[in-house]
Amino acid sequence: DAGVTQSPTHLIKTRGQQVTLRCSPKSGHDTVSWYQQALGQGPQFIFQYYEEEERQRGNFPDRFSGHQFPNYSSELNVNALLLGDSALYLCASSQNRGTGLNTEAFFGQGTRLTVV
Amino acid sequence: GENVEQHPSTLSVQEGDSAVIKCTYSDSASNYFPWYKQELGKGPQLIIDIRSNVGEKKDQRIAVTLNKTAKHFSLHITETQPEDSAVYFCAASRDDKIIFGKGTRLHILP
Repeated sequence: DAGVTQSPTHLIKTRGQQVTLRCSPKSGHDTVSWYQQALGQGPQFIFQYYEEEERQRGNFPDRFSGHQFPNYSSELNVNALLLGDSALYLCASSQNRGTGLNTEAFFGQGTRLTVV
Repeated sequence: GENVEQHPSTLSVQEGDSAVIKCTYSDSASNYFPWYKQELGKGPQLIIDIRSNVGEKKDQRIAVTLNKTAKHFSLHITETQPEDSAVYFCAASRDDKIIFGKGTRLHILP
């Protein structure tokens, strides 16, 4: 089992550009969540995808969008990049067990995005 | 809003001694409390979790306690070893949305 895999591992973009990050969930998992982790901080919830739809969203602007594919993999897109978007972007996968039933979430190694 | 406070931000303990990290949460609807360990250059790794209907859980050298009334939960690591050095995050979750604390950097001194 490869666990949660993310690509690329590192990325450098220029302010104003757009970026797409990718995530493959752990085998058997159908739910993908994305988090942003600034240096020295805890991860912050961006949004969650289940059944190819955004199910929950944190306090992030519309410049952050996502997608989930039929094979449960997911993409995170960020438009009009700002210097403040520089961070480690983490993907976590879990298995949906119904409303109100939290399940273990497993994280990938992250994508380090640097905006210059 | 939802918030998780974590203390201390840095903790140094002698190898073999115990380490304790404490957290509080604000959302009374939180019902799942995972703890993650993050090593340099890696993603967070789930090390133990506890659900709201349980007050204590232990797994070898690691134990977690939960006081729902006070909205407090804590992580205890006994007989610390050099490989325990890392950043530890507490978190509170509702409907699979995880709110993290700011982390505790644990140093194990030889």
